[in-house]
Amino acid sequence: GENVEQHPSTLSVQEGDSAVIKCTYSDSASNYFPWYKQELGKRPQLIIDIRSNVGEKKDQRIAVTLNKTAKHFSLHITETQPEDSAVYFCAAISGAGSYQLTFGKGTKLSVIP
Amino acid sequence: DTEVTQTPKHLVMGMTNKKSLKCEQHMGHRAMYWYKQKAKKPPELMFVYSYEKLSINESVPSRFSPECPNSSLLNLHLHALQPEDSALYLCASSQGVRRVNTGELFFGEGSRLTVL
Repeated sequence: GENVEQHPSTLSVQEGDSAVIKCTYSDSASNYFPWYKQELGKRPQLIIDIRSNVGEKKDQRIAVTLNKTAKHFSLHITETQPEDSAVYFCAAISGAGSYQLTFGKGTKLSVIP
Repeated sequence: DTEVTQTPKHLVMGMTNKKSLKCEQHMGHRAMYWYKQKAKKPPELMFVYSYEKLSINESVPSRFSPECPNSSLLNLHLHALQPEDSALYLCASSQGVRRVNTGELFFGEGSRLTVL
């Protein structure tokens, strides 16, 4: 089955700086890579996703890059704000008839004002 | 309506109780899921109902049993739980195509379960 590794587990940045979270996956058949943000006590919410036919996707201050050859994908947050503080989960789903999303272990991002 | 609705939001139960968690979506999604999430951990898949077929994570104990009355509803029946089952239980749905999850998971707000 799929295995997703996520680094770092914790990340502290000054407000206004950039944050980068990296994930690797094991199943070369995986074709969908979402990123979820979970604030304390709340549900995970999709912030951005990318499919395997695209190398990069951007939405305002958030971008995701995908390197299929190396089987890794990254989340980039620019001009960080205190409200970006949360736990971020990457995930991957295999295209081989799978319904299961495999999550990384999460990154706790703290943005220091 | 882009919501997945879960009830109750909080549940406290003893180890001998029988209770149920309920989940509903009206987005026409054909796949619904139960996830268990412990503090500071990622969600763990417990069950999937996709096109009326149930798939089970084999590590889930039999004291949890899902029920899918129709394609909009997914219940989780709880019986003889243990204190270590205390967690946030998240329901989710996705559009899917047949048995393939092709896109975004929409999560409910979760049911916070405490087993005494």
